[in-house]
Amino acid sequence: AQKITQTQPGMFVQEKEAVTLDCTYDTSDQSYGLFWYKQPSSGEMIFLIYQGSYDEQNATEGRYSLNFQKARKSANLVISASQLGDSAMYFCAMSRMNRDDKIIFGKGTRLHILP
Amino acid sequence: EPEVTQTPSHQVTQMGQEVILRCVPISNHLYFYWYRQILGQKVEFLVSFYNNEISEKSEIFDDQFSVERPDGSNFTLKIRSTKLEDSAMYFCASSGFLRGGVKQPQHFGDGTRLSIL
Repeated sequence: AQKITQTQPGMFVQEKEAVTLDCTYDTSDQSYGLFWYKQPSSGEMIFLIYQGSYDEQNATEGRYSLNFQKARKSANLVISASQLGDSAMYFCAMSRMNRDDKIIFGKGTRLHILP
Repeated sequence: EPEVTQTPSHQVTQMGQEVILRCVPISNHLYFYWYRQILGQKVEFLVSFYNNEISEKSEIFDDQFSVERPDGSNFTLKIRSTKLEDSAMYFCASSGFLRGGVKQPQHFGDGTRLSIL
């Protein structure tokens, strides 16, 4: 079975600082994908970044990067130069790379950016 | 950019009543999903749907739930006799494949907040 662990229920970070949100995962599958989603207070789920288990390079999308350490089974999200609008709940998630497999989510980390 | 559309954004229903949540997936996507998020908790998988049939369902998806793709564009979740514990945010998602057969990440709709009274 797959499992996602996010150990930081909440974080407070000063605006413009970089922030790292921790995520570890457990799976027996060889082929899988890792995701990060942002959920603002309005409730929608916004896809941020994706990392495939066979990707050798860490994924980057603008200010977001995913620090993928396969041997340690970790997939931390790094947000550079944080902004007030980054305040939200962040979910780490994974799925097998079958054609239609479900996404398993972690419990989330609530990030507060301080002015 | 194409997006998944869910209606209504908020549904208030009396316990025991039937409710239908609607979703319009991204037009060229083939795989459809429903997830649920009880207030303050993590997002949980309910069901996946492909080629007009359920691919997988979770323990939550019991006989009171059903899904349907009634036409070429809509994907619905029906809850037959709602309970108080069905109150949650319900997310629809869809995915497809990029060129070369690479699976796309699932794109989520904005959700329907279901409140059972």
